[in-house]
Amino acid sequence: DIQMTQSPSSLSASVGDRVTITCRASQIIGTYLNWYQHKPGTAPKLLIYGAASLQSGVPSRFSGGGSGTDFTLTITSLQPEDFATYYCQQSFSTLITFGQGTRLEIK
Amino acid sequence: QITLKESGPTLVKPTQTLTLTCSFSGFSLSTSGVGVGWIRQPPGKALEWLAHIYWNEDKRYSPSLKSRLTITRDTSKNQVVLTMTNMDPVDTATYYCAHFGGLDRFDYWGQGTLVTVSS
Repeated sequence: DIQMTQSPSSLSASVGDRVTITCRASQIIGTYLNWYQHKPGTAPKLLIYGAASLQSGVPSRFSGGGSGTDFTLTITSLQPEDFATYYCQQSFSTLITFGQGTRLEIK
Repeated sequence: QITLKESGPTLVKPTQTLTLTCSFSGFSLSTSGVGVGWIRQPPGKALEWLAHIYWNEDKRYSPSLKSRLTITRDTSKNQVVLTMTNMDPVDTATYYCAHFGGLDRFDYWGQGTLVTVSS
């Protein structure tokens, strides 16, 4: 299995802040990396696919980067609705794996 | 407009078999490149991929659960069914189905269904 490790596991930030979440794969996965936002009681939402492509309808304050084994999700100017848990997911292998999640909380 | 909805029992007993149905609309599982996957989230834990099935009936299973899972499709009914045998309380989770699009991303999700395993 390809293991996906996110850091930090949790993060406190304020509205207007810029935050970056990282995701590391246990082997090279090119840019086969997707990011999701998940709020309690709702379905996860795809934010970024192919490491850096913004899913339709997702605000431009979300951006993704990286390739190989190291990836980032950056949110500029945090909004109240951005406080959620974020997951990375690799699709290099057909045996899909998610990271353990990063909980973004209001400071 | 792509929509998916999970259905099945909310409560199962240990050792029983769980059968979940994903009913979808807005796409065809006969279209090249398309798939439907199942993902679960135990309370307070991370998302966990379980299985997915492609338009060509190719199937993939989580290695840790492969012996207990079966995924099938009914293209005429626009449904994908997941069965999980020998249920245990640790399988208590919200189960989601999702549309599996290009670059193997889950771009549309169902609302999820909470399954509790308890005697």
